Amino acid sequence: SQKIEQNSEALNIQEGKTATLTCNYTNYSPAYLQWYRQDPGRGPVFLLLIRENEKEKRKERLKVTFDTTLKQSLFHITASQPADSATYLCALPNTNAGKSTFGDGTTLTVKP
Amino acid sequence: GAVVSQHPSRVICKSGTSVKIECRSLDFQATTMFWYRQFPKQSLMLMATSNEGSKATYEQGVEKDKFLINHASLTLSTLTVTSAHPEDSSFYICSAVQGPTNEKLFFGSGTQLSVL
Repeated sequence: SQKIEQNSEALNIQEGKTATLTCNYTNYSPAYLQWYRQDPGRGPVFLLLIRENEKEKRKERLKVTFDTTLKQSLFHITASQPADSATYLCALPNTNAGKSTFGDGTTLTVKP
Repeated sequence: GAVVSQHPSRVICKSGTSVKIECRSLDFQATTMFWYRQFPKQSLMLMATSNEGSKATYEQGVEKDKFLINHASLTLSTLTVTSAHPEDSSFYICSAVQGPTNEKLFFGSGTQLSVL
């Protein structure tokens, strides 16, 4: 069955450093992969979508890579700030349009 | 970006009562919406797919008579938790897809349900 694994439940880093989060999947051949941010008590917010034919995608301080051979996506936040502290979820589409499976998330804490 | 409004944000109710949660797409039409529940420190668990003008599709293990879904218009889906019990206490979130490729999900802000 399809499985998504995000590398760690929690990640603590110092302000200014680069945070790197990992999303691994098995038994999938997704056409794209998405990353969302979720703050406590709130719904997730869409950040980035990367397609299977794209190796890398950037948006401001965010960078996502997608390796379909390794079945892995890396999510980087450069020059991290305390405001980046949140839970980050990766998501992969199911066969039905719009229906996605989410990883358990990695909670990032950026310390000043 | 698209905005999805979810109401109420928090509800406390007595065991045995029913609770209705609304999910509205404010600036776009959503033929499909999704309902999830989320326990602390866990990921989103899809409960059902809400389709405008037709019956909802429930995920395995989700009781359709317990969690009634109505998608009567292109901008509104409702989830009613009937005869709520303490084990139904959870964070409920809705989402809607927007755009021709249905790739991006836009989420409501969630509803924290506490059943006493």
